[in-house]
Amino acid sequence: ETGVTQTPRHLVMGMTNKKSLKCEQHLGHNAMYWYKQSAKKPLELMFVYNFKEQTENNSVPSRFSPECPNSSHLFLHLHTLQPEDSALYLCASSQSGQISSGANVLTFGAGSRLTVL
Amino acid sequence: RKEVEQDPGPFNVPEGATVAFNCTYSNSASQSFFWYRQDCRKEPKLLMSVYSSGNEDGRFTAQLNRASQYISLLIRDSKLSDSATYLCVVTLPASNTGKLIFGQGTTLQVKP
Repeated sequence: ETGVTQTPRHLVMGMTNKKSLKCEQHLGHNAMYWYKQSAKKPLELMFVYNFKEQTENNSVPSRFSPECPNSSHLFLHLHTLQPEDSALYLCASSQSGQISSGANVLTFGAGSRLTVL
Repeated sequence: RKEVEQDPGPFNVPEGATVAFNCTYSNSASQSFFWYRQDCRKEPKLLMSVYSSGNEDGRFTAQLNRASQYISLLIRDSKLSDSATYLCVVTLPASNTGKLIFGQGTTLQVKP
């Protein structure tokens, strides 16, 4: 496996379900991210983890709960979602969280397309 | 005002045409700038970084104008395979989290 891998690729869930999205990176990066991409909207940053520590929570509702057990794995736990949460959820990683033109270039996974009924 | 603003398009051009996209950003202290490309139903991928002096990669040229706070991407001799959405990305200052802000994207359709 290379790059950034996300599972599942597609997920349909009811509003009362609990599910999780998984992301794994094989790039030796230290920073991992969750982004949400809705139709006709820019990518929205949700969470950032640097060296397993959460460094950014972009006012995300508590029905989204991230978990980063180590620098290579990132989860997004979902519960009691709303239909408006249907979107493409993209995981990304970068070498570090430091501001420099090289270090914070993002590598994205293919995304998990979520539909909430 | 949006932090990063792009004309969503679509831009419909014939093969071989030259096309240019602009992107404006609101924070004058923004530090790093990028163009990403996103194919339909795929993830974004880095196309090129944008440097103050301007930079070129084959048929693609990126320019940065800090005074006017805009970034441009020029594509020469368009190919069918250039059809995609081009995302302008800006890194916010005063942060060590590498927080990137994405524009909505500009869609390009190259026709035969």
